[in-house]
Amino acid sequence: AQTVTQSQPEMSVQEAETVTLSCTYDTSENNYYLFWYKQPPSRQMILVIRQEAYKQQNATENRFSVNFQKAAKSFSLKISDSQLGDTAMYFCAFMNPDRGSTLGRLYFGRGTQLTVWP
Amino acid sequence: DTEVTQTPKHLVMGMTNKKSLKCEQHMGHRAMYWYKQKAKKPPELMFVYSYEKLSINESVPSRFSPECPNSSLLNLHLHALQPEDSALYLCASSQIISRWPEAFFGQGTRLTVV
Repeated sequence: AQTVTQSQPEMSVQEAETVTLSCTYDTSENNYYLFWYKQPPSRQMILVIRQEAYKQQNATENRFSVNFQKAAKSFSLKISDSQLGDTAMYFCAFMNPDRGSTLGRLYFGRGTQLTVWP
Repeated sequence: DTEVTQTPKHLVMGMTNKKSLKCEQHMGHRAMYWYKQKAKKPPELMFVYSYEKLSINESVPSRFSPECPNSSLLNLHLHALQPEDSALYLCASSQIISRWPEAFFGQGTRLTVV
């Protein structure tokens, strides 16, 4: 079974600063995907960034980047130049695309509530 | 169009009512999902449809009945719910065979059972 652990229930950061959210996971699979989703108070889950396990290069999307350490099973999210609109719950998620019985299933961590203050 | 549209956004129903939640996507995705999310918790998978066929049912009580009439629509029929079923219900869709099979989520239906 896959498990995803986010050890920081809450974090806060001042606007324009950098913050890193932690995520670790446990799997015996070799091919998988990792995602960070953001859920603001509006409730919609929005994909922030994604990473394929076989790619060593860390994914980057504008102010968002990841530090993917496959051997350590770690997948942290760095948010640079934090903005007030980044305030949200952030979920780390794992997907194994290969297994028919777990087709498309996302395994979520418990989430980290990030607050960006002025 | 990268939207998943859910209706209604809010629903209050009594324990004897029958209601339905609707979800629609026009991205050509052939996998669709229902998740249930309690406050400050991650989403919990309920059902997965693949090519309009139910492929995963996470031991959900029969008072929740999913339906996938076609590749763009997903319904969740509700009957005789309990107050503990009050939650945010999220619909999602994704590609099945794709380099990027990530799920796109709707805004959810906030359900209150009274």
